[in-house]
Amino acid sequence: ETGVTQTPRHLVMGMTNKKSLKCEQHLGHNAMYWYKQSAKKPLELMFVYNFKEQTENNSVPSRFSPECPNSSHLFLHLHTLQPEDSALYLCASSQGLGTGMDIQYFGAGTRLSVL
Amino acid sequence: KQEVTQIPAALSVPEGENLVLNCSFTDSAIYNLQWFRQDPGKGLTSLLLIQSSQREQTSGRLNASLDKSSGRSTLYIAASQPGDSATYLCAVSPYTGANSKLTFGKGITLSVRP
Repeated sequence: ETGVTQTPRHLVMGMTNKKSLKCEQHLGHNAMYWYKQSAKKPLELMFVYNFKEQTENNSVPSRFSPECPNSSHLFLHLHTLQPEDSALYLCASSQGLGTGMDIQYFGAGTRLSVL
Repeated sequence: KQEVTQIPAALSVPEGENLVLNCSFTDSAIYNLQWFRQDPGKGLTSLLLIQSSQREQTSGRLNASLDKSSGRSTLYIAASQPGDSATYLCAVSPYTGANSKLTFGKGITLSVRP
């Protein structure tokens, strides 16, 4: 285990459903990240939070809504998704400013399928 | 805009071979470069991190080198084993401080045949 736990590991949802992804880190870090990994594409950074404040929104559609209630927990709320949103969603955490210069520790991901 | 390229996308080798995985990037103004390993259905595990001022880093059978001026890095795996089968990704961090983000390559899927 890496110290970053993501649930659920797999999720199948319809386009009209509302669901949430959860990430918890046990490493005492202050920054947390959401990434999207689609087939045959590089990892894409979605959101960054540092000390619960959002510091990066990489032009993500509003159907993805992040929430960071504290430095240890990060959620990604999903609603009215599209089939092209099917991907592996990875959470990461780091100790630092929440920039690319930090060493990031990744969770195992949630495999999302949108029907 | 930084772009990271990893070619080939997949590689299959017999057990015991020494092999080199390549990574190239377009903007040499980087802070560091990392190599990650990703097993199927799993997250990323950091293998090696090279600061921009360094030329190489070693961990066990792995050696990563960095030639910043030419925009290249290689990951050398000695005496490959079936357990090395995974996808290897490289990522670079820009030297711009706040609001910077890692740029990843698409990865190289390695299969080591027994």
